[in-house]
Amino acid sequence: GAGVSQSPSNKVTEKGKDVELRCDPISGHTALYWYRQSLGQGLEFLIYFQGNSAPDKSGLPSDRFSAERTGGSVSTLTIQRTQQEDSAVYLCASSIGRVAFFGQGTRLTVV
Amino acid sequence: RKEVEQDPGPFNVPEGATVAFNCTYSNSASQSFFWYRQDCRKEPKLLMSVYSSGNEDGRFTAQLNRASQYISLLIRDSKLSDSATYLCVVNRGGGGNKLTFGTGTQLKVEL
Repeated sequence: GAGVSQSPSNKVTEKGKDVELRCDPISGHTALYWYRQSLGQGLEFLIYFQGNSAPDKSGLPSDRFSAERTGGSVSTLTIQRTQQEDSAVYLCASSIGRVAFFGQGTRLTVV
Repeated sequence: RKEVEQDPGPFNVPEGATVAFNCTYSNSASQSFFWYRQDCRKEPKLLMSVYSSGNEDGRFTAQLNRASQYISLLIRDSKLSDSATYLCVVNRGGGGNKLTFGTGTQLKVEL
């Protein structure tokens, strides 16, 4: 596709369940970012992938969060044993140079 | 200290006013600078790059002060449609080329 695609667009899950969020970056983009944004708050950096380098995981809030990027393309963010405070919009962005393009996000609600 | 810091606002200004936002960055080796705009419940999008000599795009002027490590965004003749959150973005350069986003400054333009 022409832009960054994220799925699902909305996800409601029960507390304690695991969820997987998917990001399809723009073809050829070597860098991929995951951010989290709670209602009315700024972007919270989670993780950054750049080519074949080890990812920068410094923003992951706990060991319940993990992400992988297979074949340098699609990325999956996994949240295990979800908690209510995990409710937020999860945004993915990709870039090939110095400009990032964002997907429309996945709105996660933990009930 | 955060890598990129912004006043969260909100800045409430009347239509037609001139408003300016500053953003400070901590890494003196940072190489590229940008302003992104995020509308309510939407993903961030690139507004403009910031060049060393300063640059203008219509009613928007961006400036960089390397000595003091800050960038600024000036909006002249504010429109209601300028209401949004403005994100400062810094590329630290080097091998990683990672973009670091500020948490944003909220602007509300009122009648």
